[in-house]
Amino acid sequence: GENVEQHPSTLSVQEGDSAVIKCTYSDSASNYFPWYKQELGKGPQLIIDIRSNVGEKKDQRIAVTLNKTAKHFSLHITETQPEDSAVYFCAASQTPKDKIIFGKGTRLHILP
Amino acid sequence: DAGVIQSPRHEVTEMGQEVTLRCKPISGHNSLFWYRQTMMRGLELLIYFNNNVPIDDSGMPEDRFSAKMPNASFSTLKIQPSEPRDSAVYFCASSLGSMGFTGELFFGEGSRLTVL
Repeated sequence: GENVEQHPSTLSVQEGDSAVIKCTYSDSASNYFPWYKQELGKGPQLIIDIRSNVGEKKDQRIAVTLNKTAKHFSLHITETQPEDSAVYFCAASQTPKDKIIFGKGTRLHILP
Repeated sequence: DAGVIQSPRHEVTEMGQEVTLRCKPISGHNSLFWYRQTMMRGLELLIYFNNNVPIDDSGMPEDRFSAKMPNASFSTLKIQPSEPRDSAVYFCASSLGSMGFTGELFFGEGSRLTVL
């Protein structure tokens, strides 16, 4: 089955700097890669996703890149702000199958 | 819509007791997922249903865990008997699923279980 590895487990960046979180997946049949943000005491929430027919996607300060050959995908957050502090999860899935496998998460701290 | 609703939000119980966690998915969603979150293992998929039918329960840790979905608006996850290592946050999520699968899971706020 699919296995998703995520690094780093913890990341601290100065406010205004960029943050990068990296993930790898094992199943070459996976074609959908979402990223979720989990704030304290809440459930994860989708912030951006990318499908395997696209190499990069951007939404304001957030961008995701996908390298299908290497089975890598990354989340980039620019101009970080205090409200970006949270746990971020990458995930992989084979649509239209429903099963989504998550990485173990990255705790992002934005330092003042 | 009210979102995915889970109850209880917190449960503290003693080892050996039965625990039942409940979930009401978003109306119109036909896939429902149970995840368990721990520091060590992250978010683990336990089981998921499509149109009330269990599709994949390979993540259910052992026979002490069972899940049901008697109708489209209700699911339960039961642990009997509970053990301290079951302590975790249990999340329920729903999605449009199958041919309507947009990719997005909508999570509830979780049930924090502590087994003493």
